[in-house]
Amino acid sequence: DAMVIQNPRYQVTQFGKPVTLSCSQTLNHNVMYWYQQKSSQAPKLLFHYYDKDFNNEADTPDNFQSRRPNTSFCFLDIRSPGLGDAAMYLCATNPGQGAREQYFGPGTRLTVT
Amino acid sequence: SQELEQSPQSLIVQEGKNLTINCTSSKTLYGLYWYKQKYGEGLIFLMMLQKGGEEKSHEKITAKLDEKKQQSSLHITASQPSHAGIYLCGAPGGTSYGKLTFGQGTILTVHP
Repeated sequence: DAMVIQNPRYQVTQFGKPVTLSCSQTLNHNVMYWYQQKSSQAPKLLFHYYDKDFNNEADTPDNFQSRRPNTSFCFLDIRSPGLGDAAMYLCATNPGQGAREQYFGPGTRLTVT
Repeated sequence: SQELEQSPQSLIVQEGKNLTINCTSSKTLYGLYWYKQKYGEGLIFLMMLQKGGEEKSHEKITAKLDEKKQQSSLHITASQPSHAGIYLCGAPGGTSYGKLTFGQGTILTVHP
């Protein structure tokens, strides 16, 4: 089945130690998003790629970076995780070209110790 | 910027009861999405509404968008434990392509 896959599902990292979260999709969608969702809060968009074009939200901290080496994969890099970065990170895709619906992966829960 | 307010924040019902979750926008909605999230998992798309007065149903879940396009409701008939989870409304907006702004979610618990 076509889907959005996130690895790992659970990630524990130490304060200040760089960490990378992975998202892959078999939907061949043009657009990929990264959301941060803290406990009991709404998901908040960090950035997205439309094909190779990277679009950063204005209030996304510089500590967060992203890479999209090809259509299928997108990575979220947190350069120096702080305790406040502990959250669920959700990847989503969209076909592009006017399509509206977003397809979400299962998420990666990040713990910072 | 657009803000979505969901009510109630949490809801506990007995199996078989009907329930309604509301989503109110600070601005006119040009589309409204309902998603369901189980704890610790990703979001599952339920329904999308675009036109004022539109109503859609899937199994026992019905979503409506009011005529003024500033409020949506999600109604579950004869709730089941499988309906338990977090319900989120989301609306497109902002300059980013396809960006969704979400409400804070409604936590639904269904007791057998």
